[in-house]
Amino acid sequence: DIQLTQSPSFLSASVGDRVTITCRATQDIHRYLAWYQQKPGGAPNLLISAASTLQSGVPSRFSGSGSGTEFTLTVSRLQPEDFATYYCQQFKSFPLSFGGGTKVEIK
Amino acid sequence: VQLLESGGGLVQPGGSLRVSCAVSGFSFSAYAMSWVRQAPGRGLEWVSTIFASGDYTNYAASVRGRFTISKDISKNTLFLQMDSLRVEDTAVYYCVRYVRESANYYHDFWGQGTLVSVSS
Repeated sequence: DIQLTQSPSFLSASVGDRVTITCRATQDIHRYLAWYQQKPGGAPNLLISAASTLQSGVPSRFSGSGSGTEFTLTVSRLQPEDFATYYCQQFKSFPLSFGGGTKVEIK
Repeated sequence: VQLLESGGGLVQPGGSLRVSCAVSGFSFSAYAMSWVRQAPGRGLEWVSTIFASGDYTNYAASVRGRFTISKDISKNTLFLQMDSLRVEDTAVYYCVRYVRESANYYHDFWGQGTLVSVSS
């Protein structure tokens, strides 16, 4: 089974900051990785698929990169609505798996 | 696209429950579908997937042999039959559309979730 480890698990940042979240896989998952944003009380929202493909309607300040076993999600200039929890998920093989999440809070 | 879960509730350990997901706005028969759950205050956990044809299913080890995913194309509805429920199955259960396009796979649309509580 493929495990995903996100770091950090908690991040404190200010509006306008650039933040980067890392997701590491225990084996090569090529680019079969997606990123989601989840706000309290809501369902996750797909931000990025195939490691770097920005979904329609997602602001361009979000970007994804990586392949193989190491991936990053970057928010170039954090906005108030970006304070949320972020998850990565691999689709290389079953069982599908999620990272543990990164909670981004206001400093 | 809309995904509307129903059927959650309180059940005793060892009991059974079936949650449903009524879908609309897309061709249900053309897509794989998944269930993903989230225990209170915890992260996301993939539970099960059924492929578009309905002839291939997969389960997380934690639910294999107890949960069954199925679909009724005529009713545009996805199901998750949950038997031998345990306290640790308590979670919000999300119905999710699973897109598989060449080398680009992802869960794009999510329902609002239905809460399943297992407690005596």
